[in-house]
Amino acid sequence: GNSVTQMEGPVTLSEEAFLTINCTYTATGYPSLFWYVQYPGEGLQLLLKATKADDKGSNKGFEATYRKETTSFHLEKGSVQVSDSAVYFCALRGYGQNFVFGPGTRLSVLP
Amino acid sequence: ETGVTQTPRHLVMGMTNKKSLKCEQHLGHNAMYWYKQSAKKPLELMFVYNFKEQTENNSVPSRFSPECPNSSHLFLHLHTLQPEDSALYLCASSRGGLAGDTDTQYFGPGTRLTVL
Repeated sequence: GNSVTQMEGPVTLSEEAFLTINCTYTATGYPSLFWYVQYPGEGLQLLLKATKADDKGSNKGFEATYRKETTSFHLEKGSVQVSDSAVYFCALRGYGQNFVFGPGTRLSVLP
Repeated sequence: ETGVTQTPRHLVMGMTNKKSLKCEQHLGHNAMYWYKQSAKKPLELMFVYNFKEQTENNSVPSRFSPECPNSSHLFLHLHTLQPEDSALYLCASSRGGLAGDTDTQYFGPGTRLTVL
């Protein structure tokens, strides 16, 4: 079945550092790929998505590119802020299938 | 604001109580979901409804009983819960139907449930 693997962290960075959170997936066909973010005490919010190979999703300075050849969808941000501290979930959805979420990566950004 | 609301935000109940969680979406979606999020465990899909019909029950114990009276509302009825059921319960919605693999889920803020 489909699955998502991501680094579990926690990841601790200083403000303005570069962020990469790795995500790889296993799926049949061509799923859509998503990153969700969960701030403390809240539900998951869609951060960005990509629906086909080589698509780049971007939002709030975050980017991720759908790499079919490496089955990856790594999340990047050039300069993190304290307000980016949250848990980040990589997810996929195949046609007619339910979402599959990764275990989440906790990010802490220190001032 | 994601367009999905959940009430209550916090709930403390004893093992013999009966309570209900409510979810409402204002997005015109046709699919709704219940998830359980426990500390240090992956997100667990519990139930899926499409056009008010239950299409997935992920081996959830019968002490959890979902209800979907229309496409905008979803309930989770709770009775005789156990302490290990304490968790954050998240509701989500999506377009459903023929949306296929591009369908995006939108989550509510969750209900933090504590079972004593």
